[in-house]
Amino acid sequence: GENVEQHPSTLSVQEGDSAVIKCTYSDSASNYFPWYKQELGKRPQLIIDIRSNVGEKKDQRIAVTLNKTAKHFSLHITETQPEDSAVYFCAASITGGGNKLTFGTGTQLKVEL
Amino acid sequence: ETGVTQSPTHLIKTRGQQVTLRCSSQSGHNTVSWYQQALGQGPQFIFQYYREEENGRGNFPPRFSGLQFPNYSSELNVNALELDDSALYLCASSLQGSQETQYFGPGTRLLVL
Repeated sequence: GENVEQHPSTLSVQEGDSAVIKCTYSDSASNYFPWYKQELGKRPQLIIDIRSNVGEKKDQRIAVTLNKTAKHFSLHITETQPEDSAVYFCAASITGGGNKLTFGTGTQLKVEL
Repeated sequence: ETGVTQSPTHLIKTRGQQVTLRCSSQSGHNTVSWYQQALGQGPQFIFQYYREEENGRGNFPPRFSGLQFPNYSSELNVNALELDDSALYLCASSLQGSQETQYFGPGTRLLVL
């Protein structure tokens, strides 16, 4: 089955700096890659996703890139703010067959003032 | 448009007991997936329900079972509870055959003593 690895496990940045979180996946059939943000005690919230027919997607300060050949994808957050502090999870799935999400182990992002 | 809801929010059980958790999908969604999130880890896929039938299952034993009702709401049942079943149980709803983006509910925190 699919295996998703995520790095780093913790990331501390200064406010205004950029943050990058990287994930690799094992199943070349995976074609959907969402990113979720989970604040302490809250539900995972979808922040951005990308499908395999696209190499990059951007939404304001958040961007995701996908390299299908290398089977890795990354989350980029620019101009970080204290409210960006949370745990971020990447996930991979195959749509059309039930879309079971396989998650990475999470990255604890801390944005310091 | 109403979001995904779950009940109860918290639950305490003892080893060997049985538990039922409930999920109401987001309006317009026809698919419900259940995930188990242990402390400090990413969500793990339990199973998915579509058209009232199980549509994919993760690596969980048969004592984890579920139902989906005609209104697309769903239940997760766990028999013979074990200490390791203590976790946050999340359900996510999506629209099969469309974008299949999964939106999570707030979760049920289960503690098994």
